[in-house]
Amino acid sequence: KQEVTQIPAALSVPEGENLVLNCSFTDSAIYNLQWFRQDPGKGLTSLLLIQSSQREQTSGRLNASLDKSSGRSTLYIAASQPGDSATYLCAVNLSGSQGNLIFGKGTKLSVKP
Amino acid sequence: ETGVTQTPRHLVMGMTNKKSLKCEQHLGHNAMYWYKQSAKKPLELMFVYNFKEQTENNSVPSRFSPECPNSSHLFLHLHTLQPEDSALYLCASSPGGYEKLFFGSGTQLSVL
Repeated sequence: KQEVTQIPAALSVPEGENLVLNCSFTDSAIYNLQWFRQDPGKGLTSLLLIQSSQREQTSGRLNASLDKSSGRSTLYIAASQPGDSATYLCAVNLSGSQGNLIFGKGTKLSVKP
Repeated sequence: ETGVTQTPRHLVMGMTNKKSLKCEQHLGHNAMYWYKQSAKKPLELMFVYNFKEQTENNSVPSRFSPECPNSSHLFLHLHTLQPEDSALYLCASSPGGYEKLFFGSGTQLSVL
């Protein structure tokens, strides 16, 4: 059974710092991996999607990497801002199971001004 | 107008009530999903619809009954719920296949 773990559960950093969020999964038979952001009481916003054949994806200050063989992904946020404060969720899409994303519990990020 | 709209935003219901959650997507997508987010648990998939046909039911109790009249609308009918069903219910849509999912803001449900 696929399990997704995110470490740390919570992170507090000063504004301007670069930071890395970690995600690990137990079964490497994934189709893709997505990183989402969730603000309190809100839905999810898709940040980056990495196909299983890719190593990384970049969008602005965000860079996500994927090492499928070791079951790991990282989300790198450069020059963090208070507006980046949110919960970041990692999810893997199992091969052969459309839309069945297996989520981690998330990392709650707080960026202090 | 946001891509995926859910109503109501908040719902309080008794265990004997019947209520429905509504989701509408304006993205021209072919697939729609219901997810459940309970406190301190990861999001979990409930149902998947492709071109109005249900393609996945993730062992959801029958007190949750989905309906998808067309590719733009999705409902979740609720009856005889339990307090442990209190959660944030999220609707999502995607073009289909293994494309990105776009989520609505959710309905925060409290069962008393």
